[in-house]
Amino acid sequence: DQQVKQNSPSLSVQEGRISILNCDYTNSMFDYFLWYKKYPAEGPTFLISISSIKDKNEDGRFTVFLNKSAKHLSLHIVPSQPGDSAVYFCAASAERDNNNDMRFGAGTRLTVKP
Amino acid sequence: SQTIHQWPATLVQPVGSPLSLECTVEGTSNPNLYWYRQAAGRGLQLLFYSVGIGQISSEVPQNLSASRPQDRQFILSSKKLLLSDSGFYLCAWSPRDATNEKLFFGSGTQLSVL
Repeated sequence: DQQVKQNSPSLSVQEGRISILNCDYTNSMFDYFLWYKKYPAEGPTFLISISSIKDKNEDGRFTVFLNKSAKHLSLHIVPSQPGDSAVYFCAASAERDNNNDMRFGAGTRLTVKP
Repeated sequence: SQTIHQWPATLVQPVGSPLSLECTVEGTSNPNLYWYRQAAGRGLQLLFYSVGIGQISSEVPQNLSASRPQDRQFILSSKKLLLSDSGFYLCAWSPRDATNEKLFFGSGTQLSVL
């Protein structure tokens, strides 16, 4: 039951350019969305989030866009840096579940080339 | 500040052997606790979550079980491991009764069942 989908398993970008990671979801009850970053052999770390009442949230080089009608969100990294190379997970949850059922996508491996 | 400890970092076990992974959280009370698994090439799958001592919710039928003997301790167990139990296991916590809260992950345990 893939309620959160990241259809691109990998993405390669040149340093300094924009990285765009995409995520789609199917459950219309989801109202909170997050991006996590994961390095090998480490746990995921929180990167940025967005509530369904917004369509954009920005934090430094990272911006998350939410399109509720399309059930789609994306993470933009500008400019991309080699240290951004990691696996990025999209996640979603519903407040009615007290966020105890956070669903994750399969992840996208981003490689930023110097 | 809050910290989450998970051990061991790596584990190689033969098929049919038992399993016990331990996770503890410090610096907070009454956390929600979670066990996730990342199988090779796949996303994070929620296995169990707990909202209190002795309260365990299971997301998928499987060969694993979880227990919460103390407020900040979460244990993942199996009586007999299967090859399909191999994967990267992650413990996580979130504040109790807080909506739109992110999860904080441990560093993970890489389990190889041979």
